[in-house]
Order: sequence, then structure tokens, then C-alpha cells
Amino acid sequence: QLQLQQSGPGLVKPSENLSLTCTVSSGSIGSSYSYWGWIRQPPGKGLEWVGTIYYRGNTFYSPSLKGRVTISLDTSNNQFSLTLTSVTAADTAVYYCFFSSSALGIAAGSFDYWGQGTLVTVSS
Amino acid sequence: QSVLTQPPSVSEAPRQRVTISCSGSSSNIGDNAVSWYQQLPGKAPKLLIYYDNLLPSGVSDRFSGSKSGTSASLAISGLQSEDEADYYCAAWDDRLNGWVFGGGTKLTVL
Repeated sequence: QLQLQQSGPGLVKPSENLSLTCTVSSGSIGSSYSYWGWIRQPPGKGLEWVGTIYYRGNTFYSPSLKGRVTISLDTSNNQFSLTLTSVTAADTAVYYCFFSSSALGIAAGSFDYWGQGTLVTVSS
Repeated sequence: QSVLTQPPSVSEAPRQRVTISCSGSSSNIGDNAVSWYQQLPGKAPKLLIYYDNLLPSGVSDRFSGSKSGTSASLAISGLQSEDEADYYCAAWDDRLNGWVFGGGTKLTVL
């Protein structure tokens, strides 16, 4: 069964960059029709999609975060990463990585597997 | 304000059946697949239903999904105390070119 293990700092200073990594086991980030990405959840609030990357490298980002978010694949280490620039307190949230698989395109997919979550607090 | 609309909370007695609604528009639910997630307290969400009404392997058949037009529903039958959780619907939005979620529904088993 696919497993996603997240890593990265839990505290980031305002105006700095947030960086998280998700390591994939029992699966390959190069698998056909696979989508990898990030969802976040501010404390006490609902889920918010951050962005997705297709195994071929195509990216899709949340319109509200566009310009600040980058998701990339590291095929040699079977990992993918999130970078969010110029963070503020509003970016404080639990960040989850996810895997999706859909041969019918991104819109037919779902968030099939999730990482354990990383609470990232933006504070000086 | 979430793009998909869910009731904030629902409650029902054990062994009964409850439904959670998810209302959207033609650019999301009306045109794309709906999925549902269960989030137990302090845990990562878990996929319950995909492609409107399909159950992933290992998910109890007490859970079922349906869709009509621009609305979808999650039904849980034979309620158990361990079903107490937050439930979220999700769909791709063609107009926003991104995923959208419902605000979540907290289920209480009385």
C-alpha cells in the first residue's frame, strides 16, 4: 500500500519561505496517471487545496496562492516538494501531501492517499 | 465561504441512517466527479467515496454516495459511535481550474 511520509520545519518566520517534502514508499512518483499534491487546513477550519503536479510535470495551483506556490518532483529520491514564498500568519495550517490516480484526467480523480500532516506555524 | 455548501453539523442516534448534502454548481459538481472524505479528530482525512458513488477497497458498505445535477449526498447507515467525525465533499471546478471543498459537516452520534 502506498505510503506518504512528510518532512519539514514546523515553524517559519513571516516573509520567509515554507518548504515541505513528501517521500513516497511502496509506489513511484513516475507512475502513469499519477497526481501528487498538497492540501492545507488552518487550525479549526476546513480543507483547502494548495496545488497538484502530474507525473509528467504539469502543475495546477490554487488561484488564491498562485505566484507564491511551487510544487516539484524529485524522481531520483521518489519525493515531491512544496515551496510557499513570503508566508504570513494566514498560511499557518496543517499541510497534507496526497496522491491521486486518474486515467480520465484530473477532474475525475480523488485524494486517494494522504500524508500524516505537518503543522506549520508562521510566527517570529 | 466555501464553493461547495455543506450543513455545518448533523446528528442522529446509533443504528440509524443519516445523509450529508453537498451543493455546488454546473462548473463543479454538475460537470465533474464528487468525492467524500472522513476526518477523525486529530487525523488526516480518509477517502470514503470517489467518482460520485464508488467505495475504495476497505471502506465499509455502510457508506454510500449519490449525485443529482449540481448536488451530491453521502449516506451513512447503521450509525456507530466511531462514525463521529468531520465529513468533506470535493470536486474539480472547471471555472476556477482547481479543486474545491465543502466547508465540512460535523457528525454527532447521539
